[in-house]
Amino acid sequence: DIQMTQSPSSLSASVGDRVTITCRASLSFINYFNWYQQKPGKAPNLLIYATSTLQSGVPSRFSGSASGTDFTLTINSLQPEDFATYYCQQTHISPYTFGQGTKLEIK
Amino acid sequence: QVQLVESGGAVVQPGMSLRLSCAASEFTFRNFAMHWFRQAPGKGLEWVAVISYDGSSQSSADSVKGRFTLSRDNSKNTLYLQMNSLRDEDTAVYYCAREFYTAAIGRRFEPWGQGTLVTVSS
Repeated sequence: DIQMTQSPSSLSASVGDRVTITCRASLSFINYFNWYQQKPGKAPNLLIYATSTLQSGVPSRFSGSASGTDFTLTINSLQPEDFATYYCQQTHISPYTFGQGTKLEIK
Repeated sequence: QVQLVESGGAVVQPGMSLRLSCAASEFTFRNFAMHWFRQAPGKGLEWVAVISYDGSSQSSADSVKGRFTLSRDNSKNTLYLQMNSLRDEDTAVYYCAREFYTAAIGRRFEPWGQGTLVTVSS
């Protein structure tokens, strides 16, 4: 199975900050990579797919990128509604593994 | 709007069976592969299994292989997860999700249902 190492596991930031969350894959040449946001008691919500494509309806302050086996989610100008847990997922090969999650909290 | 609604979660004893349902609405259900994911309390997300758009093939995670079976009734727009020989470690919220796939952009899962809680405990 492809292992996804997500960091940091938690992050404190303020409204207006720029934050980055990173996932490192255990396998090279992963082409298909998604990011999800999950709020307490709710289902995950797709933010970004295919590494950098913004899901319809997702604000443009969210962006995704990749460099080698490292995949990054960037949130510019944090808004109050962005404080949540974020998960990365590879969909290159089954099983479609997730990172461990990053809990983004208000500083 | 496009919606998935899971049901069937319950408290069961180890070794027992349970069937979850996922009712789809506002999209052409028969055209899409469907997946189940789960999330143990306070833990991360885990992919569980997938069934093809017509139900002719399925695949599952090693952790549930041989115990969990997917099926679907395209005439009722409903997906099922039959869980047998349940274990303590199967305790989780179970989510169904629709798969979008193209060779150019791979797979994405959207939307997800609201989830249904399965608790395995003696």
